[in-house]
Amino acid sequence: EIVMTQSPATLSVSPGERVTLSCRASQSVSSNLAWYQQKPGQAPRLLIYGASTRATGLPARFSGSGSGTEFTLTISSLQSEDSAVYYCQQCHDWPLTFGGGTNVEIK
Amino acid sequence: EVQVLESGGGLVQPGGSLRLSCAASGFTFSSYAMSWVRQAPGKGLEWVSAIGGSGAATFYGDSVKGRFIISRDNSKNTLSLQMNSLRAEDTAVYYCAKVLYSGGSQVFDNWGQGTLVTVSS
Repeated sequence: EIVMTQSPATLSVSPGERVTLSCRASQSVSSNLAWYQQKPGQAPRLLIYGASTRATGLPARFSGSGSGTEFTLTISSLQSEDSAVYYCQQCHDWPLTFGGGTNVEIK
Repeated sequence: EVQVLESGGGLVQPGGSLRLSCAASGFTFSSYAMSWVRQAPGKGLEWVSAIGGSGAATFYGDSVKGRFIISRDNSKNTLSLQMNSLRAEDTAVYYCAKVLYSGGSQVFDNWGQGTLVTVSS
């Protein structure tokens, strides 16, 4: 099983600041990585797939990068509505696995 | 509009069984793989099981293998999850999720609202 590790677990950021979330795979997943956003009481929302392709309608302030074992989700200028938990997921091999999540809080 | 809607959750005793359903609409159901993903209270996401568009290929997470069975009825646009030998650790919100592209990677662009399964005596 490919283990996905996200860091940090929690991030407290002021509006307008740049946010960088990390996701590491225990073995190479090539570019087969997705990012999701989940707000309290809601289902997850797909943000990024193929490591760097934005989902339809996603604001341009969100971007993804990386390949192999190291991946990054960047929010260029944090907005209040971006407060959420962010998960990475590998779709390179079965079983599919998610990272433990990063909780982004607004200062 | 694409929609997936889960049902069938509830309270069940340890060792019991429960069957979840997911009604899909707004897309050609038989062309898309589907998955179940769960989330224990206050915890992260855990992929549970997946099934290909035709239903021939199925995949399971280690924690449910041998206890859960995924199936689909393409004539009724319905996905199911038969859960047997339930344990306390199966307590979670169970989401039905559709893959982004037919024949593409297992990333999920549409999720239901979830159905809560509670395993407790």
